[in-house]
Amino acid sequence: GAVVSQHPSRVICKSGTSVKIECRSLDFQATTMFWYRQFPKQSLMLMATSNEGSKATYEQGVEKDKFLINHASLTLSTLTVTSAHPEDSSFYICSAVLAGRYNEQFFGPGTRLTVL
Amino acid sequence: GENVEQHPSTLSVQEGDSAVIKCTYSDSASNYFPWYKQELGKGPQLIIDIRSNVGEKKDQRIAVTLNKTAKHFSLHITETQPEDSAVYFCAVSGSARQLTFGSGTQLTVLP
Repeated sequence: GAVVSQHPSRVICKSGTSVKIECRSLDFQATTMFWYRQFPKQSLMLMATSNEGSKATYEQGVEKDKFLINHASLTLSTLTVTSAHPEDSSFYICSAVLAGRYNEQFFGPGTRLTVL
Repeated sequence: GENVEQHPSTLSVQEGDSAVIKCTYSDSASNYFPWYKQELGKGPQLIIDIRSNVGEKKDQRIAVTLNKTAKHFSLHITETQPEDSAVYFCAVSGSARQLTFGSGTQLTVLP
C-alpha cells in the first residue's frame, strides 16, 4: 500500500515551453503533497507544499508563477514548469502524506526534466 | 529553520561489515526522524523511521538510534550486502510536517 506514481518519468523539452508533471496517490487519499527538486549529487530541496483544495505554499526562493501547482483532488497534484529554461533541468520528486500517518511521506519515483 | 547535518558523505565497507551514518539536527521540537534509501534515478524509499518518544528501533539488519538530548540520530546497517549500495538520506520533521533532509551518504558495499 501507499504507492505514489509520477508521470512522465522523463521529459525533454525546448526552452520556453511548459511542462506538466503529475503526481498520484494510487491507493490512498492524500490531503497534503509535497514537491521537491533534486540536482545531481545533491539532496532533496522542498519546493512547495500542496494542500487539496487550497493554494500551494512555496518555499523561499521558489517562483510561484514559474512552478504552478494544482491539487484538485485527494489523489492528484500537478506541477507545471512554465517557460522552462535549461537551469530548470532537474529531478522533480513528489511525496504524499497518508491520512493518519502524521509526518510520514511516501515518495514518487521522480521525473527527470531536461530543457534544451 | 531546521538544520540537518549528515556524515559521512561517502562510506565504503566490505560485504558483511556494518555501516553507520550519523545525523544531527538543530530544532529540539522535531519529533520524526526517517531514513531513506535512494537508488540512481529513483525516488527515495523509506527504510526505517523513529519518533521522539522512542530511543531505538530495529528492523532486521537495519536499526536507528535517537538521542534527543544531544539532537542526533544514527542509522546502523549490519551484515551489509552489495544491494545495500545506494545514497542514504536522513530527514527531520516537526509540527509543520515538512521534511528537512540531510546532505546524503553514498554507501558502497564492496564484494
